[in-house]
This record gives sequence, structure tokens and C-alpha cells, in this order.
Amino acid sequence: DVKVTQSSRYLVKRTGEKVFLECVQDMDHENMFWYRQDPGLGLRLIYFSYDVKMKEKGDIPEGYSVSREKKERFSLILESASTNQTSMYLCASSRLTDLNTEAFFGQGTRLTVV
Amino acid sequence: GESVGLHLPTLSVQEGDNSIINCAYSNSASDYFIWYKQESGKGPQFIIDIRSNMDKRQGQRVTVLLNKTVKHLSLQIAATQPGDSAVYFCAEIYTGGFKTIFGAGTRLFVKA
Repeated sequence: DVKVTQSSRYLVKRTGEKVFLECVQDMDHENMFWYRQDPGLGLRLIYFSYDVKMKEKGDIPEGYSVSREKKERFSLILESASTNQTSMYLCASSRLTDLNTEAFFGQGTRLTVV
Repeated sequence: GESVGLHLPTLSVQEGDNSIINCAYSNSASDYFIWYKQESGKGPQFIIDIRSNMDKRQGQRVTVLLNKTVKHLSLQIAATQPGDSAVYFCAEIYTGGFKTIFGAGTRLFVKA
């Protein structure tokens, strides 16, 4: 059973804290993604990576950074958490192929910044 | 700009009836489309996909229709069951640019 695993289901952090969200996939996928999901807005891409140490900005990268030191792990970093970053964060992975770009998602991390 | 939208944010159907969830997309370069299902407390899961060179694809109890003329995508669920209750997302992908755009989602309620 293929898996994308996010390290936490729920997190509560204080404003100004540095927050790390971890994601690991066991499918040897090249592509990994971080999305945030907000009611009425759907999934919005924060960052993605198509290879180790490679990263590309998505649609809403401000206030976030990422790290991809190993193929299976993609970390999202909130440098200084703010209340408007309270959201559901979803990690996903997919194969690097133009024939099948189905994404596999983790279960999500619900982050609350107080 | 590019957008993928859903006509109905919520849909309520009687168990056993057929469900139709609609989606509009605006990027004519998108060449791959996916429907995802997201149950409460879980991440989205792949249901069915369709490529731009097709107009219909069938799975088990699900059918996706693609109308490129009007940039419209729909998901049909036959004999809807309580386990189908979830939020459904359409996604359009331009495979040449690793660009996936998700719609806002439609919540499907199945009444017993």
C-alpha cells in the first residue's frame, strides 16, 4: 500500500514561531508538493519539487520555504508563523512522467496559529 | 486568469440516485483532468482521470465527461451510496508545465 505520510495530524503554534511540517513518501516519486486547503478556496500550491535539492515556487509561496534533502522527504517551513497561516496543509507526490501525473496525498496537517 | 470552478458548492442526493458534479476550466492548454474524492479527515484520493484526446471515460460506478468546446468536465456517480459522501475536487493539469489547478470542491451529501 503506497503512502504519503505527514508527521502530524494537528499542530498548535504561537505567532512568530518557526514551524516545520514533514512529509515522507515511499513510492520513489520524483515530484513532491505542498498545498494549503482553505474553505471555498480549494487546494493552493505553495511549493513543489521535482528532484532532490530542487524547488519551485507555487502560487502562494510567501511566508514559506521548503527543503528537499532526500528524495523521499519534503519539508515545509513557516519561518515566522502568523495567524493567517492557520490552515490544512496537504503534502502530495507524483511520478515524473507526462503519461500519468496522478498525485497521491497525505492525510493532512491541520495547523492552528494562535 | 486560469481557473477551475465548480457550479455547485454542495449537492444533496437520495441514496440510489445518480449524482452529477460539474466543473469548468479555463486553460485550453490543459491536457489531463482528474477527479479527487476527499473524505472527512483524509487527504484527497484519485477517483478517475481523462486525457484531452478523450470525451468520456468510465470506471466502476463513475463516469467522467469532458467537453473541450465549452471547457466543461463532469463526474457522474451511479447509484450513489452513503460512502460516496465527501468533497469532490476536479483538477486540470498542463502536463508540459507541471501545473495542476484544483477547483474549490463540491460537497456531496447522500441521504439515506
